[in-house]
Amino acid sequence: DQQVKQNSPSLSVQEGRISILNCDYTNSMFDYFLWYKKYPAEGPTFLISISSIKDKNEDGRFTVFLNKSAKHLSLHIVPSQPGDSAVYFCAASPTTKAAGNKLTFGGGTRVLVKP
Amino acid sequence: NAGVTQTPKFRVLKTGQSMTLLCAQDMNHEYMYWYRQDPGMGLRLIHYSVGEGTTAKGEVPDGYNVSRLKKQNFLLGLESAAPSQTSVYFCASSNHRDRSQPQHFGDGTRLSIL
Repeated sequence: DQQVKQNSPSLSVQEGRISILNCDYTNSMFDYFLWYKKYPAEGPTFLISISSIKDKNEDGRFTVFLNKSAKHLSLHIVPSQPGDSAVYFCAASPTTKAAGNKLTFGGGTRVLVKP
Repeated sequence: NAGVTQTPKFRVLKTGQSMTLLCAQDMNHEYMYWYRQDPGMGLRLIHYSVGEGTTAKGEVPDGYNVSRLKKQNFLLGLESAAPSQTSVYFCASSNHRDRSQPQHFGDGTRLSIL
């Protein structure tokens, strides 16, 4: 059973508009969340993260929102640009003291930004 | 600055063959990870290492073995390849303990088992 889910496999948006990507999680032990971006034939690259002590984190055009009670987070991209076309993965890390800083990933959302 | 380098980039194997995927990082990271990516499944952790000489199982370890003889290298082995192991494999590394330091990924190895 997937502990991190991205229910929208794909998203198409017009250049200049807002892209909203959603992610849900089930494990209450998750307390740190990340978004990665992936282009074809490349590895994922880190985009933005948020700790559970916050409900919002912003970095330029990218903002991540966290709703702990709903176990939901979202990534907003404003304004969307053609170079943002990629697959976006949501990932979560548990609060456990065990070593490893392991991540659990969602299935990804493919974003296409149309010029 | 190479970051995380994976070799080979592509490989085709026959069922039952063995092979080793190599991951090398030049960032002096303590932690290293092997993931597999399958359509709709995201990235799933196979094995990981928190330091030289140590390894641990992840979410989907069956059919794989790993070794971390040197801090900068993390090897993933398939002793007897099966078609279910057809996937794209990613290696990653990260600084220890500090979760604000994200995992850095290589560009992947695309592996097909016939």
